[in-house]
Amino acid sequence: EPEVTQTPSHQVTQMGQEVILRCVPISNHLYFYWYRQILGQKVEFLVSFYNNEISEKSEIFDDQFSVERPDGSNFTLKIRSTKLEDSAMYFCASSVRPPDTEAFFGQGTRLTVV
Amino acid sequence: ILNVEQSPQSLHVQEGDSTNFTCSFPSSNFYALHWYRWETAKSPEALFVMTLNGDEKKKGRISATLNTKEGYSYLYIKGSQPEDSATYLCARNSNSGYALNFGKGTSLLVTP
Repeated sequence: EPEVTQTPSHQVTQMGQEVILRCVPISNHLYFYWYRQILGQKVEFLVSFYNNEISEKSEIFDDQFSVERPDGSNFTLKIRSTKLEDSAMYFCASSVRPPDTEAFFGQGTRLTVV
Repeated sequence: ILNVEQSPQSLHVQEGDSTNFTCSFPSSNFYALHWYRWETAKSPEALFVMTLNGDEKKKGRISATLNTKEGYSYLYIKGSQPEDSATYLCARNSNSGYALNFGKGTSLLVTP
């Protein structure tokens, strides 16, 4: 069964450092997303990406965040200068067509900023 | 951000009990309501996507209903099993339709 894969599963970084979280969405999906969950809080939407551009982003997705699809398979989230409050589980997801088809989620990358 | 609420926050039932959870959401600009099942250390897994008022969907012992006019959905589990233990998330489309706004989830524990 096709699945969304994320690497790494866990990343520890120092405050102020740049991190890149990587995702391989399902191959025939057209829409890609990043979500995050800070411990004890709701899963929050960060950004959606379609046809090589951002289709929607949340207030959380400020200038320190960026997304890229560098080749035909990878989808990355870059955080330029990490803060303590960026510590969270980051989920990548993909879908055929929002909002009426299911989104498939990866297992997440746990980012810890120290 | 659309406010999606889920209740109860957690639930502990015995094997064989039937149970249900509630998801409430704003009904304006509604397109779709998603239910996900999320086990620890795994990815959230889609259970249902519902779009029409009055929709009812079923997958094995799990079923869901949707009322878009009053803005709620129920998830039912019949004859709970220990393997049903998970967090159940509901999510509604954003106003633009691209994003999902999630509730906080209902954490279900089923003990033998």
